[in-house]
Amino acid sequence: RKEVEQDPGPFNVPEGATVAFNCTYSNSASQSFFWYRQDCRKEPKLLMSVYSSGNEDGRFTAQLNRASQYISLLIRDSKLSDSATYLCVVNLAGRRALTFGSGTRLQVQP
Amino acid sequence: GAGVSQTPSNKVTEKGKYVELRCDPISGHTALYWYRQSLGQGPEFLIYFQGTGAADDSGLPNDRFFAVRPEGSVSTLKIQRTERGDSAVYLCASSLTAGPNYGYTFGSGTRLTVV
Repeated sequence: RKEVEQDPGPFNVPEGATVAFNCTYSNSASQSFFWYRQDCRKEPKLLMSVYSSGNEDGRFTAQLNRASQYISLLIRDSKLSDSATYLCVVNLAGRRALTFGSGTRLQVQP
Repeated sequence: GAGVSQTPSNKVTEKGKYVELRCDPISGHTALYWYRQSLGQGPEFLIYFQGTGAADDSGLPNDRFFAVRPEGSVSTLKIQRTERGDSAVYLCASSLTAGPNYGYTFGSGTRLTVV
C-alpha cells in the first residue's frame, strides 16, 4: 500500500461543475498536509495548506479527517484553467521531507 | 534569485556516463530538497539538506547517487554510471526554514534522459 494514495483519474468535468478529490495517508501521527498543483511538464506549485479545522481559498476548500486519515480538495465552479494534476502531500510522522502522492488528473471541458 | 533555478533544463547522456545537476535555491532558504519524478508519478524524495549538511539522504536509491551543498546555498546532484532507469525529471525545492511544515518552492527541474 502506498503511503499517500490518490485516485489517478482522470476526472473529466464540464465547466462550472463541482469536483472533489480524496487522498489517504498511512501514518496517523502525520502533522502537515498540503495540496499542490502541477501543470503538464511544469513543476509542482503549492495550492494550499490543509488545516485541521478545514480551510477555504476562493473556489477551493480543503478538509482533513484525522480519524479516517484522509484529506480532500473540493473545487467549485470549475474553470478550464483548473485543468491540471493535483498532488496530495503529507508530512508523514518521522520523516523530514514531504511525501507526495501520485496525483489526480483533472480535465475541465468547455 | 527570485526563484529556484535548476540547470541544465534538459540533459541527454549515454548509459554509463557521469552527470551533474545543479540547483540554486531562493536566497536565504536554509532547507534544500532533491526529488525525482517519473512519468505519471508524484515526486519521489531523494535527499534533504539543512545548511551544508545532508540531514536525510534516505531516498537516494543507491551509491551511484550523491549530492553536495558545500556552502549552504547551491547544491549539485551527482549520478555516476548512469542507467536508463535513471531517466526522470529531477526537481529541486527550497524552503525558508527547516522541516516540512512549510510549503516548498520548486525549480522547473532537469529532465534527464539516459540513452
